Amino acid sequence: AQTVTQSQPEMSVQEAETVTLSCTYDTSENNYYLFWYKQPPSRQMILVIRQEAYKQQNATENRFSVNFQKAAKSFSLKISDSQLGDTAMYFCAFREGGSQGNLIFGKGTKLSVKP
Amino acid sequence: KAGVTQTPRYLIKTRGQQVTLSCSPISGHRSVSWYQQTPGQGLQFLFEYFSETQRNKGNFPGRFSGRQFSNSRSEMNVSTLELGDSALYLCASSQLWEASGANVLTFGAGSRLTVL
Repeated sequence: AQTVTQSQPEMSVQEAETVTLSCTYDTSENNYYLFWYKQPPSRQMILVIRQEAYKQQNATENRFSVNFQKAAKSFSLKISDSQLGDTAMYFCAFREGGSQGNLIFGKGTKLSVKP
Repeated sequence: KAGVTQTPRYLIKTRGQQVTLSCSPISGHRSVSWYQQTPGQGLQFLFEYFSETQRNKGNFPGRFSGRQFSNSRSEMNVSTLELGDSALYLCASSQLWEASGANVLTFGAGSRLTVL
């Protein structure tokens, strides 16, 4: 069974600095998708970024980028120029390529951005 | 475009009661998934519906059930509530216009259930 591990329960960063959140996963599949979701204190989960496993190029979305290491099964999220609004729980998630079903989530990392 | 709407946002029940939660997906989205979020277990998949059919089910007891209507709105029901059912229940919708894992889920704000 696929598993997703986020080894950092909590992290903090100063405003304007850069922070990296770690995620590793375990799968025997070759075709899959990885996601980072953000859940601010208001609770609504928001997609941050998505990565297709067949793409070697790392995905980027403005200040958010990933370091996807397929062989190492690692999918870290880098947040540049951290802002107070980035304070949230961040969840890494996995889904098989052919699956129309569920996402498998990690336990999350609570990120606090300090002024 | 309106987002995913979940009702009620908060509710309190007692053990043994049952509860029904509602989810209205984004207009045009035909797939609805449900997740349970607790501090101990994190986010766990409950089930997914597409065109009124359950396509996938997580590892939850039969007390947890759901359905989807012809307008894609979905409900989930939990019968014989237990203390451990206290959780945030999240609904997510997607277009499912491509049959792949690439579909992006858009989540609602959740329904916070407290069982006393």
